[in-house]
Amino acid sequence: DGGITQSPKYLFRKEGQNVTLSCEQNLNHDAMYWYRQDPGQGLRLIYYSQIVNDFQKGDIAEGYSVSREKKESFPLTVTSAQKNPTAFYLCASRISSGYEQYFGPGTRL
Amino acid sequence: KQEVTQIPAALSVPEGENLVLNCSFTDSAIYNLQWFRQDPGKGLTSLLLIQSSQREQTSGRLNASLDKSSGRSTLYIAASQPGDSATYLCAVITDNDMRFGAGTRLTVKP
Repeated sequence: DGGITQSPKYLFRKEGQNVTLSCEQNLNHDAMYWYRQDPGQGLRLIYYSQIVNDFQKGDIAEGYSVSREKKESFPLTVTSAQKNPTAFYLCASRISSGYEQYFGPGTRL
Repeated sequence: KQEVTQIPAALSVPEGENLVLNCSFTDSAIYNLQWFRQDPGKGLTSLLLIQSSQREQTSGRLNASLDKSSGRSTLYIAASQPGDSATYLCAVITDNDMRFGAGTRLTVKP
């Protein structure tokens, strides 16, 4: 089965703590994305990566960090600097030759 | 900066009714527009992708149209069913950027 998996499904963060959200895909997609969704708002882009070992900040990158050491994996760390981390986090991927994005099931922090 | 608006924010209809969801965007220089469905607490499921050169796409009871010049897209759902209840989001794709609307929460009553 090809797809995108995110873990954990739910996560609690204590103040001052860093937490890492996992995103894995076996679709052989080059590009991967992290979005944050707050109630009543559209998705906002945190970080994206077009290729291994490269990533770019999105609109709301402050307080977050990412890595892209493998094509299949794009973990997101919510650092203690993010003062309002409570949200629904969605990971997505896209093949480099297309525009359609495919989403994981999300992590609620 | 591209702004995407979806109206209405919420919609409730009786089963069997045909309905239209609206999406508007401020910059007409888009590559594609994508409609998604999101069930509560879940990720997004892609419904339809309309390329900039197309005017509409159809999948089953769903039909999406795109008018770039006026900055509008509509999602038409025919013969609505309670299983269609979800939030529907549109996303506008420009170069490497994807901008989402806040969504329309649809409830179809049996």
